[in-house]
Amino acid sequence: GNSVTQMEGPVTLSEEAFLTINCTYTATGYPSLFWYVQYPGEGLQLLLKATKADDKGSNKGFEATYRKETTSFHLEKGSVQVSDSAVYFCALRSENQKVTFGTGTKLQVIP
Amino acid sequence: KAGVTQTPRYLIKTRGQQVTLSCSPISGHRSVSWYQQTPGQGLQFLFEYFSETQRNKGNFPGRFSGRQFSNSRSEMNVSTLELGDSALYLCASSLGSGSGYTFGSGTRLTVV
Repeated sequence: GNSVTQMEGPVTLSEEAFLTINCTYTATGYPSLFWYVQYPGEGLQLLLKATKADDKGSNKGFEATYRKETTSFHLEKGSVQVSDSAVYFCALRSENQKVTFGTGTKLQVIP
Repeated sequence: KAGVTQTPRYLIKTRGQQVTLSCSPISGHRSVSWYQQTPGQGLQFLFEYFSETQRNKGNFPGRFSGRQFSNSRSEMNVSTLELGDSALYLCASSLGSGSGYTFGSGTRLTVV
């Protein structure tokens, strides 16, 4: 079956540091890939997506590139802020529309 | 436009009771999915409905059921509640293929 593997958290960074959260996937065909963010006490919000190989999704300073050759979709941000503290989920939607989430990575940004 | 609306936001139920949760998707979204989120198990997929038909189903017991109405609103029902059913239940709607989800704020169910 499909699977999504994210790096274990929590990740603790100082403000303005560079962020990378690794995500790799297993799926047949060409899934669509997503990053979601969950702030405390809220539901998940779609952060960015990419629907085909080599696509780059971007939003709010975050970026991720769909790498078919390495089956990866790593999330990056050049300079994190305290307000970026949240849990980040990587997910895929397969060609038969099944959605699989990773376990989530908690990010804590300290001033 | 209005987002995904889940009601109620909080529920406290006793073991053995049943509960119905409601979800109103974004207008025009025909796909509605339900997830259970707990600290130990993370996000677990319950089921997905599309145009009133269950399209996909997760690995939950038959006590968990759902349905979708012609206006795309969805309900999920849990019968014979157990303590382990305490969780945040999230509903998400989408346009379909290649689209991401829009999630509601969730219903926090506590079983005592």
